[in-house]
Amino acid sequence: GQQLNQSPQSMFIQEGEDVSMNCTSSSIFNTWLWYKQDPGEGPVLLIALYKAGELTSNGRLTAQFGITRKDSFLNISASIPSDVGIYFCAGSRGSNYKLTFGKGTLLTVNP
Amino acid sequence: GAGVSQSPSNKVTEKGKDVELRCDPISGHTALYWYRQSLGQGLEFLIYFQGNSAPDKSGLPSDRFSAERTGGSVSTLTIQRTQQEDSAVYLCASSSPGTSGVDTQYFGPGTRLTVL
Repeated sequence: GQQLNQSPQSMFIQEGEDVSMNCTSSSIFNTWLWYKQDPGEGPVLLIALYKAGELTSNGRLTAQFGITRKDSFLNISASIPSDVGIYFCAGSRGSNYKLTFGKGTLLTVNP
Repeated sequence: GAGVSQSPSNKVTEKGKDVELRCDPISGHTALYWYRQSLGQGLEFLIYFQGNSAPDKSGLPSDRFSAERTGGSVSTLTIQRTQQEDSAVYLCASSSPGTSGVDTQYFGPGTRLTVL
């Protein structure tokens, strides 16, 4: 089946540092999404990307839809303790509902 | 307003028993999804309901898994003859169809299922 390769698996950073994570695929996706999941909660949508090359920001978060449509990255600037959680990428290949998820990046921020 | 709710939050069962997991979507949302999240894995699509249309069951891993959505609102995911590999967090989401693009899915907190 379709696979999204998300890296890194985990990150340990100091408060104030910037962080970057990415997702790659051997298949083309038409939409890329980034979610955050806090412990004991469901994922929450952070950013949605609909067009190749698109660069979108949401506060300290910036995400880009790769030109090849086979990758996306998420950057978090000036990290704070509440950024801790698992970040997932997800892609859609034209369906308005069926998503393929990456395995997630566990982010730990040391105050 | 109220978000997606799921019950129970935790369920421990013995291998071979049947379990039912419940999802209450956001009021007015016509679409409902079930996902499975195994430890260290991403979300695995199980089933999708949209209004009165036939559900997309393509993600159900075996015939032990089934789901219903009564009255276009509450949904129940049933796992029969549970196996240890069924242990996971089962997440429900709902959405309201948009005009374009991927519909934004709002997730519940999940049910953590442990099969002993």
